[in-house]
Amino acid sequence: AQSVTQPDIHITVSEGASLELRCNYSYGATPYLFWYVQSPGQGLQLLLKYFSGDTLVQGIKGFEAEFKRSQSSFNLRKPSVHWSDAAEYFCAVGGGGGFKTIFGAGTRLFVKA
Amino acid sequence: EPEVTQTPSHQVTQMGQEVILRCVPISNHLYFYWYRQILGQKVEFLVSFYNNEISEKSEIFDDQFSVERPDGSNFTLKIRSTKLEDSAMYFCASSWYTEAFFGQGTRLTVV
Repeated sequence: AQSVTQPDIHITVSEGASLELRCNYSYGATPYLFWYVQSPGQGLQLLLKYFSGDTLVQGIKGFEAEFKRSQSSFNLRKPSVHWSDAAEYFCAVGGGGGFKTIFGAGTRLFVKA
Repeated sequence: EPEVTQTPSHQVTQMGQEVILRCVPISNHLYFYWYRQILGQKVEFLVSFYNNEISEKSEIFDDQFSVERPDGSNFTLKIRSTKLEDSAMYFCASSWYTEAFFGQGTRLTVV
């Protein structure tokens, strides 16, 4: 079955500290992988995507993610978190070419001063 | 940059009323979708639409829901008789061969 698991419901980091949000997926074919960010009451903003090629992808706002096929993972990282990064982060798989996008349950990021 | 637009941004309706949520997908896209996000929960797939017919639907998408592409540019989601539990953010999306592009959502509140 196709699924996305984000094991951390919420994470708190200090401003300026590094961040890693975990994501594992289950998908029958080669996946398209995505990370979205959502502020309260707002829409979904695409941070980055992976289709093929270099397994380390760069996104907006200083985020990056690494695809590891052997671990079925696509973890999101940022070297130095800013207070404005506090939001909900969703990992997703699939999408495109008519295939639905499957979202994880999300990880809420809190940033403390 | 082309984008998916949804109207209205917020709609309040009384329980039992019909609502139509509207979306204008990106013009050269072929696949269209609706998703739902209940407050505080994850985004859930409702339905996908291609070549003027439903290509896939989830178990959430029961007989009270319907979709239509009435005029070649709009894509609508109709909820026939709204229930309190239909209160959610509804996202429209469209795609071609790569990722889906999402609209900013319509927040539906059923009172």
